[in-house]
Amino acid sequence: DTGVSQDPRHKITKRGQNVTFRCDPISEHNRLYWYRQTLGQGPEFLTYFQNEAQLEKSRLLSDRFSAERPKGSFSTLEIQRTEQGDSAMYLCASSLGSGRTEAFFGQGTRLTVV
Amino acid sequence: AQKVTQAQTEISVVEKEDVTLDCVYETRDTTYYLFWYKQPPSGELVFLIRRNSFDEQNEISGRYSWNFQKSTSSFNFTITASQVVDSAVYFCALTEALDMRFGAGTRLTVKP
Repeated sequence: DTGVSQDPRHKITKRGQNVTFRCDPISEHNRLYWYRQTLGQGPEFLTYFQNEAQLEKSRLLSDRFSAERPKGSFSTLEIQRTEQGDSAMYLCASSLGSGRTEAFFGQGTRLTVV
Repeated sequence: AQKVTQAQTEISVVEKEDVTLDCVYETRDTTYYLFWYKQPPSGELVFLIRRNSFDEQNEISGRYSWNFQKSTSSFNFTITASQVVDSAVYFCALTEALDMRFGAGTRLTVKP
């Protein structure tokens, strides 16, 4: 297994367009997390899944954001009607077991909204 | 609510110096986990260490060592004999039952 992979690595989109990112976790990991990281800041929690169930969503996740993890495997994060403030690095992580085990991160998707 | 503070925004040292990165946390839980991650220029967060709230034993791994003190709610990270390859942003993180919360990070620059 090559670790957590995210696609695409970079995305430039015009304001108002919809974008979708994909995350493939480490295969045996049951937990999957989405974080957002802006320049000079630590990752901010967005949401997480335990298998296919979405168990927590941050207040940062407005109605324009939606995440899915069908069949408890890969996950997608969609942002509708993008705004310039959505420009950030979107990080995916996965872990095995409870939230108390270390999470392994992908390389992220850098979104630029112009 | 849980919170992690890394007061040092940036640190610059010369190679072979020792450097300590500070981390102070807040939590109401008695059971929690603390982590350190490294984010090199390539961007991928790399896991360094996990420590649970019941284990205050300090840990050493090569040039890295961690000092966990519940009395001061601190989990500090020391790099001994720093090297240029240690240059990165280092994040401290805390998790209780659910998600992991990160500090703002400390950017370490090691000059040759």
